[in-house]
Amino acid sequence: EVQLLESGGGLVQPGGSLTLSCTASGFIFSKYAMSWVRQAPEKGLEWVSIILNDDAGGRTYYADSVKGRFTISRDNSKNTLYLQMSSLRAEDTAIYYCAKEAGMGSHYKFYRHVWGKGTTVTVSS
Amino acid sequence: QSVLTQPPSVSGAPGQRVTISCTGTSSNIGAGYDVHWYQLLPGTAPRVLIFDNANRPSGVADRFSGSKSGASASLAITGLQTEDEADYYCQSYDNSLSAYVFGTGTKVTVL
Repeated sequence: EVQLLESGGGLVQPGGSLTLSCTASGFIFSKYAMSWVRQAPEKGLEWVSIILNDDAGGRTYYADSVKGRFTISRDNSKNTLYLQMSSLRAEDTAIYYCAKEAGMGSHYKFYRHVWGKGTTVTVSS
Repeated sequence: QSVLTQPPSVSGAPGQRVTISCTGTSSNIGAGYDVHWYQLLPGTAPRVLIFDNANRPSGVADRFSGSKSGASASLAITGLQTEDEADYYCQSYDNSLSAYVFGTGTKVTVL
């Protein structure tokens, strides 16, 4: 069974940093693209970032709202996905979900196949 | 902000059919990018209901169906059940934003 478990959320002050982790099991982690999606309180879903598998060069893509502040990475030896967040703002407050991607061909055809239950990040003084 | 527009809420009695629309533009759905649908239940992990416009993953009831036409897509739920009360989101890709985009979300209420 595919399982994704996010961790690392918490309370952080504006301007601070935080690193989220997502531990994967039940599939060959290195073969799949992985992504982060967030949901702010009382708001809808927002895609944050995606990292492709090594066959695709491990390329990374970001939403404009986080570009230059967030960094997605993966450690295939640990079956773990990361999201390093810096210069955090109040509007980054959200539940952060990691997701295993699926789809064939170019990355724009991918969709979020399996999701974790999320970890909560609160940015407040 | 969301670039795909959904109705904020839809409702129906048990056993009825409801549909949720998802309206995009020429830079996303209208450009030919596929539409996917997700269900969010409080306290649980989101799950994909429909991928590539009309395909159901294994384990998803055939009461859920999807379609796409032009710059819009729809999710239909037939034989509505109480456990279908949830939030539903469409998603596609936008080439002007170079980003995956979600709909505004629709809350389904079973009367």
